[in-house]
Amino acid sequence: KAGVTQTPRYLIKTRGQQVTLSCSPISGHRSVSWYQQTPGQGLQFLFEYFSETQRNKGNFPGRFSGRQFSNSRSEMNVSTLELGDSALYLCASRTANEKLFFGSGTQLSVL
Amino acid sequence: QKEVEQDPGPLSVPEGAIVSLNCTYSNSAFQYFMWYRQYSRKGPELLMYTYSSGNKEDGRFTAQVDKSSKYISLFIRDSQPSDSATYLCAAEQGAQKLVFGQGTRLTINP
Repeated sequence: KAGVTQTPRYLIKTRGQQVTLSCSPISGHRSVSWYQQTPGQGLQFLFEYFSETQRNKGNFPGRFSGRQFSNSRSEMNVSTLELGDSALYLCASRTANEKLFFGSGTQLSVL
Repeated sequence: QKEVEQDPGPLSVPEGAIVSLNCTYSNSAFQYFMWYRQYSRKGPELLMYTYSSGNKEDGRFTAQVDKSSKYISLFIRDSQPSDSATYLCAAEQGAQKLVFGQGTRLTINP
């Protein structure tokens, strides 16, 4: 069974640009969560989607948004990028018994 | 104060030693506790998953949760160089957001 797949693996953007990250959950998983990981703040929850609806949201500004499609694939968008948005963005899908499995992440660098 | 506190280390031990990793948490509503292992440039990998208080063993790994003292532990027996990684504790109330500790960087020296 394939794991959580995230694309692209690496991304370099400049301040003010926007970016879209993609995540394909493990087959059969309907819940997708997004996390931001930085050396200073660690892993922080962004949002969770279940059956195309946002079920939970963390404390991030509105520049961070996401969506989920009918096939459970999810995208995350960050608009008006800031230097502080440089981070590893991790997607995770959840099993029916609530265990969370992560992808390898997208490393975003904002210059 | 963070909801889940973890000493970032780094922690360095010789091969074969018993490793003890610990976290404390402040939210009494947390019921599910996890340990993840993260290698450099990879996503976190689920190691142990525990509901409420008690011990859980899986091979060389033992997870302990003491809800009365809000303390989470992971023990690694017969540590190997391949165990060198960052270990993250995490907790949640239910199907809610996972709250992570800062992570402890562990090195096992051959």
